Amino acid sequence: AQSVTQLDSQVPVFEEAPVELRCNYSSSVSVYLFWYVQYPNQGLQLLLKYLSGSTLVKGINGFEAEFNKSQTSFHLRKPSVHISDTAEYFCAVSWYSSASKIIFGSGTRLSIRP
Amino acid sequence: SAVISQKPSRDICQRGTSLTIQCQVDSQVTMMFWYRQQPGQSLTLIATANQGSEATYESGFVIDKFPISRPNLTFSTLTVSNMSPEDSSIYLCSVGQREWDEQYFGPGTRLTVT
Repeated sequence: AQSVTQLDSQVPVFEEAPVELRCNYSSSVSVYLFWYVQYPNQGLQLLLKYLSGSTLVKGINGFEAEFNKSQTSFHLRKPSVHISDTAEYFCAVSWYSSASKIIFGSGTRLSIRP
Repeated sequence: SAVISQKPSRDICQRGTSLTIQCQVDSQVTMMFWYRQQPGQSLTLIATANQGSEATYESGFVIDKFPISRPNLTFSTLTVSNMSPEDSSIYLCSVGQREWDEQYFGPGTRLTVT
């Protein structure tokens, strides 16, 4: 069965430090990849997506992610985090060759310490 | 992108009652989705609602418990019927053009059943 894994349920980081949130999925065949952010008491907001083309994708708020087909990963990075980045981050994948629905990972809670 | 609103934003309901959640979009959209997000967990798709056809429910969700209406291309409702404390969750609606592509989310409805 297709699956999405976010290994880190919580990531504490000091302000202005770099961060990487990890995401792996079960198959590299024909995937679309997404990262969403959920701020407290809000819905989900699309950070970035990969459909095709360059494997390095830049999103909003200074985030970027890299598609690695051989490792079936789509890790999210930011070189310097801010307090306002405190939120829950969800990786999501769909397999367009099978017209599958989007599957969300379990989420990573990013907490920024001053 | 699309702007999505949900009503109510939160509610506290008694066991055995029903609650209808409304989802309004500022533009016409093909597909609308309803998700459940239980405390501290990821999103679980309840059903997909296309205008003019019956909603398609995911495994573990049934129409009698979660009836959905989609009367036009900008509006949908989800009813949570005969509620129990286990139904306490955040309910999110989202919209998209295709099942496997990016989705835009409403702010969610936080439901507490006592």
